[in-house]
Amino acid sequence: GENVEQHPSTLSVQEGDSAVIKCTYSDSASNYFPWYKQELGKRPQLIIDIRSNVGEKKDQRIAVTLNKTAKHFSLHITETQPEDSAVYFCAASKGSNYQLIWGAGTKLIIKP
Amino acid sequence: NAGVMQNPRHLVRRRGQEARLRCSPMKGHSHVYWYRQLPEEGLKFMVYLQKENIIDESGMPKERFSAEFPKEGPSILRIQQVVRGDSAAYFCASSPRGDRGETQYFGPGTRLLVL
Repeated sequence: GENVEQHPSTLSVQEGDSAVIKCTYSDSASNYFPWYKQELGKRPQLIIDIRSNVGEKKDQRIAVTLNKTAKHFSLHITETQPEDSAVYFCAASKGSNYQLIWGAGTKLIIKP
Repeated sequence: NAGVMQNPRHLVRRRGQEARLRCSPMKGHSHVYWYRQLPEEGLKFMVYLQKENIIDESGMPKERFSAEFPKEGPSILRIQQVVRGDSAAYFCASSPRGDRGETQYFGPGTRLLVL
């Protein structure tokens, strides 16, 4: 079955710098890749997603890139702010979507 | 438009008791997914239901766990004879049609603590 690996597990960056989180997946049939942000004690919230028919998607300070050949996708956050501090999860699915397979998460710490 | 609702938000049970977790999907959504999250880990898929049907329960333990989504009322995840290892956050999500690449919207979760 599908396996999603996420790196790093913890990322600490200076406020204003960029942060990059990477995920790899194993099943080449996967075609939907969402990213979720989860603040402590709260629900996961979708921040951006990408489908396999595009290579990049951007929404203000957040962008996601997808390399289908290498089977990896990345989250890029520019001009980081204190409120970006949270745990970020990547996920992958195929076919009917319901089987979202999640990465283990990256704890992003923004240093003032 | 209210989001996905879950109750209770926190649930404490002693070993051997039953836990009932409820999830009301967003208005107009007929597909519900349950996930379990252990501390410091990602979410693990448990079960996918449509109204009155279990579509996929491959992520749910075969014993003690059951789920339903009746024609009327919320979806319920039931854990019988709870053990300490059941302590986790249980999230449900909903989507309108269960289509390919459809966004899943999450509820606030139920944090189950088994003493």
